[in-house]
Amino acid sequence: GAVVSQHPSRVICKSGTSVKIECRSLDFQATTMFWYRQFPKKSLMLMATSNEGSKATYEQGVEKDKFLINHASLTLSTLTVTSAHPEDSSFYICSARADGGNQPQHFGDGTRLSIL
Amino acid sequence: DAKTTQPTSMDCAEGRAANLPCNHSTISGNEYVYWYRQIHSQGPQYIIHGLKNNETNEMASLIITEDRKSSTLILPHATLRDTAVYYCIVRGGGYQKVTFGIGTKLQVIP
Repeated sequence: GAVVSQHPSRVICKSGTSVKIECRSLDFQATTMFWYRQFPKKSLMLMATSNEGSKATYEQGVEKDKFLINHASLTLSTLTVTSAHPEDSSFYICSARADGGNQPQHFGDGTRLSIL
Repeated sequence: DAKTTQPTSMDCAEGRAANLPCNHSTISGNEYVYWYRQIHSQGPQYIIHGLKNNETNEMASLIITEDRKSSTLILPHATLRDTAVYYCIVRGGGYQKVTFGIGTKLQVIP
């Protein structure tokens, strides 16, 4: 149980295009979803937290107009990297958690984004 | 969330137990200890979590000291596939977020 599916796993696109990444909780309802970014040989950096039906809360230094997050249902969240540039190239990972309390977060397998 | 301290790296012989320590001396009463691991180029995988009692599941055992200021993750019979970065995280209940430190890079040696 507790499977989080992230799609696509890899995307290569030209500078200036927008890229959408989907994150789905397959067998549980995710009250809260999280988006992380990871640079090579570095730890995960939290970008934003979203609760179903409400606006995402972004971490300091993360541009909300650049990284659009939509958590429209209890099983789906999307991250759109708008007008992507080479510096946005990174490994993006989503995570989902059921209702509060002590439930652990479960993670997708990540999306490797390369902007040419 | 309380800060955690882990060794940067560890080696373990294949088939032996891997004991990964974590210090969380500022943990508060309602914070749980969680362990995740990340194999190269994959998303983190949840392993186990606990509050104050020792916990065991099919993957590992978690030993938490009585004062809760430290814990140890035990992989009873390490295999090459256990080579990964292991993260120890403390988090309170409710909707608190999980933030990651550097973790421990465990290398299982044949």
